[in-house]
Amino acid sequence: ETGVTQTPRHLVMGMTNKKSLKCEQHLGHNAMYWYKQSAKKPLELMFVYNFKEQTENNSVPSRFSPECPNSSHLFLHLHTLQPEDSALYLCASSQDPLGGRQETQYFGPGTRLLVL
Amino acid sequence: DQQVKQNSPSLSVQEGRISILNCDYTNSMFDYFLWYKKYPAEGPTFLISISSIKDKNEDGRFTVFLNKSAKHLSLHIVPSQPGDSAVYFCAASGRGSSNTGKLIFGQGTTLQVKP
Repeated sequence: ETGVTQTPRHLVMGMTNKKSLKCEQHLGHNAMYWYKQSAKKPLELMFVYNFKEQTENNSVPSRFSPECPNSSHLFLHLHTLQPEDSALYLCASSQDPLGGRQETQYFGPGTRLLVL
Repeated sequence: DQQVKQNSPSLSVQEGRISILNCDYTNSMFDYFLWYKKYPAEGPTFLISISSIKDKNEDGRFTVFLNKSAKHLSLHIVPSQPGDSAVYFCAASGRGSSNTGKLIFGQGTTLQVKP
């Protein structure tokens, strides 16, 4: 059972479409993350938000646009994606990475994205 | 350049035996290490972690060993059960002036436990 939910679980989109992925955490955490997992590659960190502020953008193309309206919700807006962007997109949350403690991140189930 | 490596893409063991999954890292600034388990169509689930001030952490059937001098950690599962069949990811994080909770993941090892 996970305290992090993601919708939709599966998404198929064309290269000219605009869509959004949603993540919600029910753990009372202050940090949220977007990761990308492509086939046969390690999870790649995309974005980090601490207390609603973006603290990391891991050289992600501008066709991916994150939004964090509050500490419980995180969105990933997608537009003009490429077929190579097809992957599993995972959201995670943690308590407070700026608090100096060693942190564990908790993941949602992911959105399986296919770009045609 | 991959800072966290899991050199064995797959491992197969018999039910009841020990499973040993290995992970190597290159960054000496890493001070916190985690293992996650992932089933198909699900997100990674946190399994066990270890701080660099320890060399062993045990939780039920799962034990993680850390060898800082060799920059190596391993996950032992004993006894292995068929339900342990999954992909196991090693991850590491480190303190520093830009600590944002960033986790660096290995490529994963697929464990199959045969009945």
